[in-house]
Amino acid sequence: DAGVIQSPRHEVTEMGQEVTLRCKPISGHDYLFWYRQTMMRGLELLIYFNNNVPIDDSGMPEDRFSAKMPNASFSTLKIQPSEPRDSAVYFCASSLGTVASGELFFGEGSRLTVL
Amino acid sequence: EDKVVQSPLSLVVHEGDTVTLNCSYEVTNFRSLLWYKQEKKAPTFLFMLTSSGIEKKSGRLSSILDKKELFSILNITATQTGDSAIYLCAVPLSSKETSGSRLTFGEGTQLTVNP
Repeated sequence: DAGVIQSPRHEVTEMGQEVTLRCKPISGHDYLFWYRQTMMRGLELLIYFNNNVPIDDSGMPEDRFSAKMPNASFSTLKIQPSEPRDSAVYFCASSLGTVASGELFFGEGSRLTVL
Repeated sequence: EDKVVQSPLSLVVHEGDTVTLNCSYEVTNFRSLLWYKQEKKAPTFLFMLTSSGIEKKSGRLSSILDKKELFSILNITATQTGDSAIYLCAVPLSSKETSGSRLTFGEGTQLTVNP
């Protein structure tokens, strides 16, 4: 398996623009997670899905952020409108079972810069 | 409040030194603790610990959990420059909003191994 695949790897945009990040989890994994990493706040969980259903979105910063998982092999994280404070590395991860029982496999991340 | 705290936040050593990284936690319904290594890109899994006193070992890395004192340590012996990375500790925390659990990361320890 190719692992968790994220795109784009890098995105530079201007404040107010819409940003869409994409993720393809490992085939067969039931859980998908979106994390954000910054120097100030470390790795923060934004939202996670189980069998394509959002389970916990309490980490989503505000209404400008939304995430979808239309099928088992694809998820998006959208920011509209983007702001400079959204600049971070966004990681997607997937796992076969719950986080209590096994490891997460991370994608290589999407580095977002909002000017 | 549930939390995961790592120390030190930063450590600089010379090749050949032995290092000990610490992770303490306060968690309701503890189930497991995980260690990850993050070099330039995505975090990669090292160990999962569920039982006190049982050492997990992989080459020069080892880890142990103390469920009574609520901490784990990660040891690296005979460090090499390739061990330079951020080492992350993570614990599944029960989600307030759902019956699921969120894998919550500590701030990480930035280890630098100089030749």
